[in-house]
Order: sequence, then structure tokens, then C-alpha cells
Amino acid sequence: AQTVTQSQPEMSVQEAETVTLSCTYDTSENNYYLFWYKQPPSRQMILVIRQEAYKQQNATENRFSVNFQKAAKSFSLKISDSQLGDTAMYFCAFSGTYKYIFGTGTRLKVLA
Amino acid sequence: EAGVAQSPRYKIIEKRQSVAFWCNPISGHATLYWYQQILGQGPKLLIQFQNNGVVDDSQLPKDRFSAERLKGVDSTLKIQPAKLEDSAVYLCASSQRGAYEQYFGPGTRLTVT
Repeated sequence: AQTVTQSQPEMSVQEAETVTLSCTYDTSENNYYLFWYKQPPSRQMILVIRQEAYKQQNATENRFSVNFQKAAKSFSLKISDSQLGDTAMYFCAFSGTYKYIFGTGTRLKVLA
Repeated sequence: EAGVAQSPRYKIIEKRQSVAFWCNPISGHATLYWYQQILGQGPKLLIQFQNNGVVDDSQLPKDRFSAERLKGVDSTLKIQPAKLEDSAVYLCASSQRGAYEQYFGPGTRLTVT
């Protein structure tokens, strides 16, 4: 069965600094998608970044980038130049043939 | 492009009462999801529709929860009778296809007293 694990329940970072959120997953599938979603205190979940498993190149969206290690089944999110608006819950998600699974989330607080 | 719409935004009911939530997905999105999110936890999938059909409802408590998606567009989720542990935010999401990124609505916060 597929699982998604986020081992950091809470993290904090100083404004303008860089922070990395960890995510590991388990699957026997070869083709799948991985996502990071952000849920600010207003609670509307939005997509941050997407990675297709067949692509070796790490996805990047402005200040957000991932480190995708397929063999290690690791998918971490790096936020550069952290801003106060980055304060939110961050969820890692796996999408395979049969299931769409979310991790338990990491609460990130950006400090002024 | 309009986002995923949900109503109501908030609902307070007493245990053993019934409640219904409505979701209108993004136009053209074939896949619709209902999630339950308890405070401090990640979303838990309740049911997934592909057009009119149910793809996955393995975690839906079928003795009290029901859901339908009429004509492959709008969807309703019903709880009858509600229990205290049903207090949560109910999120609706849609995607173009099952594996793709999901677009979420604002959610309905349900409080059962």
C-alpha cells in the first residue's frame, strides 16, 4: 500500500532564509505524480509544485523547488527567500494508479 | 476561470441531526473528491467520482455518509445521523483527471454539538 510520511510536524524559519520540508513515500508503482500543497490559515488548499516520476529534472516554481530522489523515495520541498506569506501547513501528496494520498502535513511559520 | 465552489461555509448541528454539503467543481473537470479534514491532520479521502461513477469510497462510513454526483457536475455529501466525531472541515476538490493536481474549494466547517 502506498504511504506518505512527513516527519516534521512543525518548522520555523526567519524571513529571507531558506527552509527544506521533508517527505518520503512508499510505492511499488513506477509511474506516478508527487505534489506539494499549501494550506494557509484561511484553509483554502493550493498547489505549490508538481513532479512527474518519469522526469529526472527537479521541478521549480519561482522560490519553490523540489529535490526528487526516486530511488530513495524522497521528495523534499525547498523554499528560498522565505516570506511571511509562506506561513501555512504544507502537505506532500502522492498520486498513483489507484490512490491519491496526503501526508500529515508540516506547519511552517516564517518569523519576521 | 471560476474555482471550486462549496456551500455552506459553516454549519453547526446537534448530534443525530442530518446535514448536506454542496460542491460545484471547475468546469470540465471530470474527477471530483470529497475529503474530511480534522483539525491538525491531513485530508482524508471520503469519496472520489470520475464523471458520474464512484472510483473510490473505501473510507466513506456508508452507514451514515452518502454522496452523489448528478450529471457528472455538482455533488452533494450528506451525513445522517451526525456524530460528535464528524466535526471537521469537509473539502471538495476537482481535477481534470484522477492523477493530476487537484483544485480545492474553501471547505465547509462542520461543528456537531
